[in-house]
Amino acid sequence: GENVEQHPSTLSVQEGDSAVIKCTYSDSASNYFPWYKQELGKGPQLIIDIRSNVGEKKDQRIAVTLNKTAKHFSLHITETQPEDSAVYFCAATLRWNYQLIWGAGTKLIIKP
Amino acid sequence: DTEVTQTPKHLVMGMTNKKSLKCEQHMGHRAMYWYKQKAKKPPELMFVYSYEKLSINESVPSRFSPECPNSSLLNLHLHALQPEDSALYLCASSQDRASGRMGTDTQYFGPGTRLTVL
Repeated sequence: GENVEQHPSTLSVQEGDSAVIKCTYSDSASNYFPWYKQELGKGPQLIIDIRSNVGEKKDQRIAVTLNKTAKHFSLHITETQPEDSAVYFCAATLRWNYQLIWGAGTKLIIKP
Repeated sequence: DTEVTQTPKHLVMGMTNKKSLKCEQHMGHRAMYWYKQKAKKPPELMFVYSYEKLSINESVPSRFSPECPNSSLLNLHLHALQPEDSALYLCASSQDRASGRMGTDTQYFGPGTRLTVL
C-alpha cells in the first residue's frame, strides 16, 4: 500500500529564515498532496495542497513543490514568524481511494 | 467558510459510562470522517460516511459506534471505553469522496474533542 515518509521530525530555524520540510511517497498513483498545520490542542488546518498535474503552488509565504519522477514533495515557508511554530503533516491520496496517508509529522520551532 | 465544529471540547469519562461526541458542518459537504489522534502521531482514520451511509470502518472496536443523522451532523457514541482510548478525536468533512471531481476530496478538520478515559 501507499507509504509516506516525512523529514525531518524536528526543525528549528531562526525567525526570518526559511524552513523546508520534505516528504516522499511510494505509490506513483497518488495524485493529491495536502499539507496540514496543527497547533497544540487544535485540529489540523489545511495550509496548502497540490495535485499531480501541477509542479509548484504558492500562497504568500508558503509554497509546495512536487517532483512526480522522484515521488517527493516539499513544503517551503519563507520569512518564518513565531506563529509558524506548530507540527506540520504531509499526506497523499491515491487516485481511486480518497483516504489520506499521512507522514509522521514535523515539529517546527521558530527561535526568536 | 470551511468550519467544522465539534462538541464537547473536553470529555472525561469512566470505563462504564456512555457518552457521545458531536460534529457539525454547514458547508454542504457529503462526506464526513472520524479520526483518532494520539500524542505526537498523525490522525488515524476510524470511519467514513458518504451521503449519510457508512462507507469505511477501519476495524474499529464496537465500543465506538458512529451515527450520521443527516448530511450536516455526525455523532460518535462511546460505551465501555478503555484507558488506551484516551486521545484527541477529530471530525473532518469533504465535499465528496466518490465523484472523482478535482477538489472535492479536500478534507477540513474540526478542533477535536480531547477524551480522557479513567
